[in-house]
Amino acid sequence: AQSVAQPEDQVNVAEGNPLTVKCTYSVSGNPYLFWYVQYPNRGLQFLLKYITGDNLVKGSYGFEAEFNKSQTSFHLKKPSALVSDSALYFCAVRDGEVEAAGNKLTFGGGTRVLVKP
Amino acid sequence: NAGVTQTPKFQVLKTGQSMTLQCAQDMNHEYMSWYRQDPGMGLRLIHYSVGAGITDQGEVPNGYNVSRSTTEDFPLRLLSAAPSQTSVYFCASTYRANSGNTIYFGEGSWLTVV
Repeated sequence: AQSVAQPEDQVNVAEGNPLTVKCTYSVSGNPYLFWYVQYPNRGLQFLLKYITGDNLVKGSYGFEAEFNKSQTSFHLKKPSALVSDSALYFCAVRDGEVEAAGNKLTFGGGTRVLVKP
Repeated sequence: NAGVTQTPKFQVLKTGQSMTLQCAQDMNHEYMSWYRQDPGMGLRLIHYSVGAGITDQGEVPNGYNVSRSTTEDFPLRLLSAAPSQTSVYFCASTYRANSGNTIYFGEGSWLTVV
C-alpha cells in the first residue's frame, strides 16, 4: 500500500524567508508525486509534479520541489515566502507502475503554512 | 471552459436525510472521482469512475453511491446521512488512465449533518 507523510501540521515563516514543507512517501513501484495548495474555502490547486527526469521540479507561484529517491522525500520549497502563500499544502503520491490506478492518489494529512509579515 | 463544477457549495442535512452532490466537468476527462477531506487526514477516495457506465469503490465508500451515465457528470449520493459524513467533499477529474496526468479538483462542497 502506498502512503504519504507530512510530519509538520503547521509551518510558520516570516515573509521573505525561505519556506520548506516536508513530504515523505512510500510506494511499491515508481513514485509519481504531486503538490497541491488549498486556500480557505477553496478547492485544491495543482502546484507541481514529479513523474520522471530532473529531480528538481519547478511549479506555479515560484514553488519548486526536489525529488530524493534515497530518502523517499519530495519537499516543497520557495526561496522567499509571501503572506499570500499562507494556505494548506498537500503532498500526494501515485504508483507509476499501476496504469489501472486511474486517479487514485494517496494524500498526506496536509501542512498549514502561515507566513507572517 | 469551467473545469470541474460542484454544487451545492454548502449544505446542512438532518440525520437520515438523503441528498445528491452534483459534479460536472467540461474537459472531456475519462476519469472522475470523489474525495472527502477531514482534518489531519488529507483527502480520502470515496468512489471513482474510469469512464461512462463504469464505477468502482475507493477507500471509504460506505454510505455513498455514485453513477456515471455521461462522461461529463458524476453525482455522489448520500443515502441516509449520518453525522460521521460531515465533511468537505471534492470532485476531481483527469484525462486518462495515465497515472502521470494531473488531477483537477472542484471548489468543494461543505456538508454538515446534524
